[in-house]
Amino acid sequence: TQTVSQSDAHVTVFEGDSVELRCNYSYGGSIYLSWYIQHHGRGLQFLLKYYSGNPVVQGVNGFEAEFSKSDSSFHLRKASVHWSDSAVYFCAVRDRGSALGRLHFGAGTQLIVIP
Amino acid sequence: GALVYQYPRRTICKSGTSMRMECQAVGFQATSVAWYRQSPQKTFELIALSTVNSAIKYEQNFTQEKFPISHPNLSFSSMTVLNAYLEDRGLYLCGARGDSGNTLYFGEGSRLIVV
Repeated sequence: TQTVSQSDAHVTVFEGDSVELRCNYSYGGSIYLSWYIQHHGRGLQFLLKYYSGNPVVQGVNGFEAEFSKSDSSFHLRKASVHWSDSAVYFCAVRDRGSALGRLHFGAGTQLIVIP
Repeated sequence: GALVYQYPRRTICKSGTSMRMECQAVGFQATSVAWYRQSPQKTFELIALSTVNSAIKYEQNFTQEKFPISHPNLSFSSMTVLNAYLEDRGLYLCGARGDSGNTLYFGEGSRLIVV
């Protein structure tokens, strides 16, 4: 059974601070990992993904994430956040052998950026 | 870029009535479409996976009789929630994927409010 754990329900930082949103997964096979952002009342916006190669992947708006097989993690980072980054962030995992639309989502981390 | 439009953004319907929602892929051909429901508690449930020219696969607890889906071409899909009740409330998200790449792009969602 795949599980995706986002240990922090809420993270609060000041504008200009760096931030790391944590994602750990439990799955033994080959997987795709991705992050999505959801602003209040909106849909899911794709940020970035990892499936092979360089474990550090770059996404939109200055976000990056690093895959660690040893830690079973795919943490999302940003060096300097803006107030507009306030949103809920979802980590998602897909088994490479499963259908392409079958994502397992974490519970989400709400990022609050204080101006 | 890849865009997914969903319509309507929000519907308020009386208990026992139905709601139809549409999903349009722009800028790419949506060979696969995944319909999700996000509960008021923010968790995601996969309703069904649809691939053009293939049978639609419904997840456990979701049926074609309750959530009929149409995916007639590579740019459009629709889903209806029949006889909606309080437990059907939520944000219905359409995720679409093209032929190349493994990214699922989501629309803004169609929010169903049942009164």
